[in-house]
Amino acid sequence: NAGVTQTPKFQVLKTGQSMTLQCAQDMNHNSMYWYRQDPGMGLRLIYYSASEGTTDKGEVPNGYNVSRLNKREFSLRLESAAPSQTSVYFCASRLAGGLEGTQYFGPGTRLTVL
Amino acid sequence: KQEVTQIPAALSVPEGENLVLNCSFTDSAIYNLQWFRQDPGKGLTSLLLIQSSQREQTSGRLNASLDKSSGRSTLYIAASQPGDSATYLCAVRRRPNDYKLSFGAGTTVTVRA
Repeated sequence: NAGVTQTPKFQVLKTGQSMTLQCAQDMNHNSMYWYRQDPGMGLRLIYYSASEGTTDKGEVPNGYNVSRLNKREFSLRLESAAPSQTSVYFCASRLAGGLEGTQYFGPGTRLTVL
Repeated sequence: KQEVTQIPAALSVPEGENLVLNCSFTDSAIYNLQWFRQDPGKGLTSLLLIQSSQREQTSGRLNASLDKSSGRSTLYIAASQPGDSATYLCAVRRRPNDYKLSFGAGTTVTVRA
């Protein structure tokens, strides 16, 4: 049981380049999330997917797109990277519903945009 | 909008001392509150989750209390060890199926041997 996995672990981009961050979970969770973490700030939600086939914007969606490829996979795409998108990106998943509210996090992708 | 604050931002204590970490939130209408641990360069690991109807949760040396009316939660770590050095974050959920967690910025703890 690998939990939540993310690739790549590190990435350096030039301004204007595009890339896709990959996330997968093997816990049969319904909902998945993308967060960014910046120094001195809490995690901020970029996009989430409540269930397979649905995606919604979070607090800071501008400059990003997402795809819920299937129940396991949720990818985050930067179409034209900007220095302001330098951050650590975390994917998380949750078995939505009932009292099970715990989110499980991946190890993160450290992205630098030059 | 829910604002979650954790003060202090950093804390250094000698080994064996009890740790007290604070979390405050502006909107007391929460469904649950969760404490996470984050090691340097790693993701977040859930430590404790307290439902709004509960006053506290315990796991080993960790005890988390919740006072909804005053908008506060406290994480106590007894007899701290160097292995407890990490950043601790709290997060609140407003409703059962609310997909958004509101996070504090965290308290970075260093336990000196």
